Amino acid sequence: DVQMTQSPSSVSASVGDRVTITCRASHDITNWLAWYQQKPGKAPNLLIYTASTLQSGVPSRFSGSGSGTDFTLTISSLQPEDFATYYCQHTKTFPWTFGQGTKVDIK
Amino acid sequence: QVQLVESGGGVVQPGRSLRLSCVGSGYIFSNYGMGWVRQAPGKGLEWVAMLWYDGTNKHYADSVKGRFTISRDNSKNTVYLQMNSLRADDTAVYYCARAGETDIDGLYYYYGMDVWGQGTTVIVSS
Repeated sequence: DVQMTQSPSSVSASVGDRVTITCRASHDITNWLAWYQQKPGKAPNLLIYTASTLQSGVPSRFSGSGSGTDFTLTISSLQPEDFATYYCQHTKTFPWTFGQGTKVDIK
Repeated sequence: QVQLVESGGGVVQPGRSLRLSCVGSGYIFSNYGMGWVRQAPGKGLEWVAMLWYDGTNKHYADSVKGRFTISRDNSKNTVYLQMNSLRADDTAVYYCARAGETDIDGLYYYYGMDVWGQGTTVIVSS
């Protein structure tokens, strides 16, 4: 099975900051990677799929990059509504697995 | 609007069974793969199961294989998760989700979960 490792596990940032979250796969997953945002008590929300494709309706300050085993989610200018937990998930083969999550909170 | 609504959660004793349901609306349900994802209290997301748009090709996480069964009834726009031999570590919020798909050179591939329900809570406790 493919294991997903996110870093950091948490990050403190201010509004307007650039935030970068990394996700590493244990095996080559080409570009079969999705990113989700989850706010407390709510269901996850798909942000990016196939590593860099922005889901419809998601603000352009979110971007994704990477291929193979190393991937990045970048928030170019953090907004108040972006404070949340972010998860990566590979969709290369079954079972699909998630990273452990990265919590973005207010500095 | 596109919507998924789960039901069937509750408190159940270890070793017993429970069936979750999820009804989709606002889109052609029979055209999409469907899956379940769970989240234990204070923990991260765990992918549980998925099946193809027509009910073929079912896949499970190792943690539930042999105990959980995913199925669907496209005439009722509903996907199910039958959970048997429940354990305390199955306690979680269970989310139903639609599998997003993309067309690459005439072949369709699932790229993640693009629509989610609000979740239903399962508590396994004596």
